[in-house]
Amino acid sequence: ETGVTQSPTHLIKTRGQQVTLRCSSQSGHNTVSWYQQALGQGPQFIFQYYREEENGRGNFPPRFSGLQFPNYSSELNVNALELDDSALYLCASSLSGGGETQYFGPGTRLLVL
Amino acid sequence: TQLLEQSPQFLSIQEGENLTVYCNSSSVFSSLQWYRQEPGEGPVLLVTVVTGGEVKKLKRLTFQFGDARKDSSLHITAAQPGDTGLYLCAHYNFNKFYFGSGTKLNVKP
Repeated sequence: ETGVTQSPTHLIKTRGQQVTLRCSSQSGHNTVSWYQQALGQGPQFIFQYYREEENGRGNFPPRFSGLQFPNYSSELNVNALELDDSALYLCASSLSGGGETQYFGPGTRLLVL
Repeated sequence: TQLLEQSPQFLSIQEGENLTVYCNSSSVFSSLQWYRQEPGEGPVLLVTVVTGGEVKKLKRLTFQFGDARKDSSLHITAAQPGDTGLYLCAHYNFNKFYFGSGTKLNVKP
């Protein structure tokens, strides 16, 4: 059974650019949640996708958007990058939507210069 | 806002010592989760507590959910260097997950 994987592991962008982060969910899981974790903080919930539909969203602006594909993998897109977007981006998959047990990937470390 | 406050923020202890970390809120939770996150990795679920007053044990870790379901604690007995990490509490409500800011634990050999 393959765990949750994320790519890339690290990324450097400049302010104003756009970025796409990718997540492959654990086998059999149809739900993916995305989080932003700033240094020294807990993860902040961005949104959750359940069977290709957004199923909950945190307090993030519309320039944070996502997609879930028929194979339940997912992308997080961030437009017009700002310096404060520098963080670890985590995705987590679960068997179904809602508050089911989540399994996290190792994250993508994004640095915005 | 479903604010979760964790204390202490940092804890540095010697191997063999006992410790307790706390997760508090003004809100009542239907359930609460505890995670441990090691450097360079994502959080890993340790336990979910559901019933007020519930106590769950995981080897040397003891988790307690407050009677009013507004707070929780994690007690570690005889801490080991492998316990080092960021301990996070979290809950799910209204289609959102909420995490505390965590307690960063360092256990020195």
